[in-house]
Amino acid sequence: AQRVTQPEKLLSVFKGAPVELKCNYSYSGSPELFWYVQYSRQRLQLLLRHISRESIKGFTADLNKGETSFHLKKPFAQEEDSAMYYCALSGWGSGNTGKLIFGQGTTLQVKP
Amino acid sequence: DAGITQSPRHKVTETGTPVTLRCHQTENHRYMYWYRQDPGHGLRLIHYSYGVKDTDKGEVSDGYSVSRSKTEDFLLTLESATSSQTSVYFCAIRPGGQGNYGYTFGSGTRLTVV
Repeated sequence: AQRVTQPEKLLSVFKGAPVELKCNYSYSGSPELFWYVQYSRQRLQLLLRHISRESIKGFTADLNKGETSFHLKKPFAQEEDSAMYYCALSGWGSGNTGKLIFGQGTTLQVKP
Repeated sequence: DAGITQSPRHKVTETGTPVTLRCHQTENHRYMYWYRQDPGHGLRLIHYSYGVKDTDKGEVSDGYSVSRSKTEDFLLTLESATSSQTSVYFCAIRPGGQGNYGYTFGSGTRLTVV
């Protein structure tokens, strides 16, 4: 079964602290993995995709196929990072056709 | 600016009435998707389209139907609205073919069924 799990509903940290948002996935083929961010009641925006290995707004994420994880990290949290973060998986092959499957989301709250 | 718009942005409707939400894109993308967003559930796929008149069901399709008569428009219809369909509905688009393309999302429609 294809599944994305974000175990934390809420992650609260102080400004300047490191952040790690966890994401684990289940997929039988080669997945495409993404992180999306949603600021208060706005549209979802693509933050990162695993294939590009880029750093956006100081966030990075590494795909660990052995642990089937794609955790999102930032060394020093900023107040403007407060938002909902979704991990998502997409795949191709029988019955998938690139549908994006989301985790339940993690709310990141950065306190001053 | 994102090449995708949803209408209406907000709607309140009564139980039992039909409701249609519209998603319009200017990107000429092949794939279009309808998701609903609910607390504790993340985003769940309702229906999607992989071309004009080509649609398929997602994981929560009961009570919903879709139509895509032209590339740019993807309509979601609640045949007889129920309170459990109160949600925020997002449309998304994606280019065709495999590849690590991110989806582009619309701004959402907040639907309340009373």
